[in-house]
This record gives sequence, C-alpha cells and structure tokens, in this order.
Amino acid sequence: NAGVTQTPKFQVLKTGQSMTLQCAQDMNHEYMSWYRQDPGMGLRLIHYSVGAGITDQGEVPNGYNVSRSTTEDFPLRLLSAAPSQTSVYFCASSYNRGPREQYFGPGTRLTVT
Amino acid sequence: GNSVTQMEGPVTLSEEAFLTINCTYTATGYPSLFWYVQYPGEGLQLLLKATKADDKGSNKGFEATYRKETTSFHLEKGSVQVSDSAVYFCALYISGGSNYKLTFGKGTLLTVNP
Repeated sequence: NAGVTQTPKFQVLKTGQSMTLQCAQDMNHEYMSWYRQDPGMGLRLIHYSVGAGITDQGEVPNGYNVSRSTTEDFPLRLLSAAPSQTSVYFCASSYNRGPREQYFGPGTRLTVT
Repeated sequence: GNSVTQMEGPVTLSEEAFLTINCTYTATGYPSLFWYVQYPGEGLQLLLKATKADDKGSNKGFEATYRKETTSFHLEKGSVQVSDSAVYFCALYISGGSNYKLTFGKGTLLTVNP
C-alpha cells in the first residue's frame, strides 16, 4: 500500500491564481480530511468527508473547496489564492467514519506571493 | 467546546533523559485520546492512543495514561534518544452525533541532544 499520497510536494502561486492539491489513499478509508499547519497554530481542519459524495466544513473552510467523487480521492481546490493561504497542507484518512486513527500524507508546502 | 492544552515548548533534553509532555483536555462527553508525532519534514504519525479511563497507551517506549479525574493524558518516556526529536501533538475525539472532528493541541517541539 502507498498509504496517503499528496501532490505536489511544493508549490508557489501568485495572488489570485487557482490550483488543486491532490490527495489519494489506497486503504479503502471512509474518512478523509484536509488540514493546514501554520507556526504556532497547530493543525486546523479545513474540510472533511465521511464517505464518497459527502463533505463538510471544518474550522477554516473559507477560500477552499473540496469534492469526494470516489473513496480514494479527495482534492482540495484553492479558488483565488491569497498570501494568508501560505501554509503546509496535510491530507489524512482513517478507516472509521470518524477520525479515530488518522494516516497522514507527507504534506504540500504552498507559498502564495 | 472541546479543547486540548499542551505544555509549551520547545523542550530540550540530553540523550537518556526522562521525558514528560503534559496534556490536559476539556470535553463535552467521553473522548478517545491520542498522541501523534511529526518528524522533521514529514506528516503526522499516530504514536499511541487510549479509549477509556485508566487505559495506558504505549509504543516505541512512550507511554500515556488516560486520567479522567484530572482530564489528562501526559506523554512519558524513560530514556529519550536523538531520534525522538520531533513535534508531539495531543488530540481528542468524541464519537457520535454529527461530530467528525479531531481536536489537536498546538504541539510541543522536542529536541534531544547527544
């Protein structure tokens, strides 16, 4: 199993550009989530999904969209990038419907200039 | 709401020293408790967990006991190694209803010197 994979590993965007961060898992996990990690802020939940076709907002959803058309994939879309979205983004998944034991991807480091 | 408070770092220790990282929580309900570890440049990994009062989670020499009376889940290791240098996150989850969110503490950076 590859576990949770994320692409790209690094990305630089200009303000106003859009892009999609990819996340995939091959463990048939029901629950998937996106976090951002900023210095001194810990991890903050952006969006999550409890199964294909079901998504919901976390703590900091503004400026981000998600969809879950398959069990395996959970892409995160930045609609119009802003410098405040400079962060490290982690995707995570867990077998249960809730985040009891999460498996994290390696992260995407995003810089918005 | 639910929250997790960890001791602020950074924590710097010499190899073979004893480690304690304090974690306390507030929760409306009966949570499961977790410690995650993040090594430099990587994503988080589950280190250990406990799902009910007085449970002790353990892994890789680390231990934490779920103390309901003090709402605590302190992480301990008897003899740290340089390879334990990482950021440690305490977290809780309460299942049921419409809650599907893991609540994290802000993390504690541990540096172990040879």
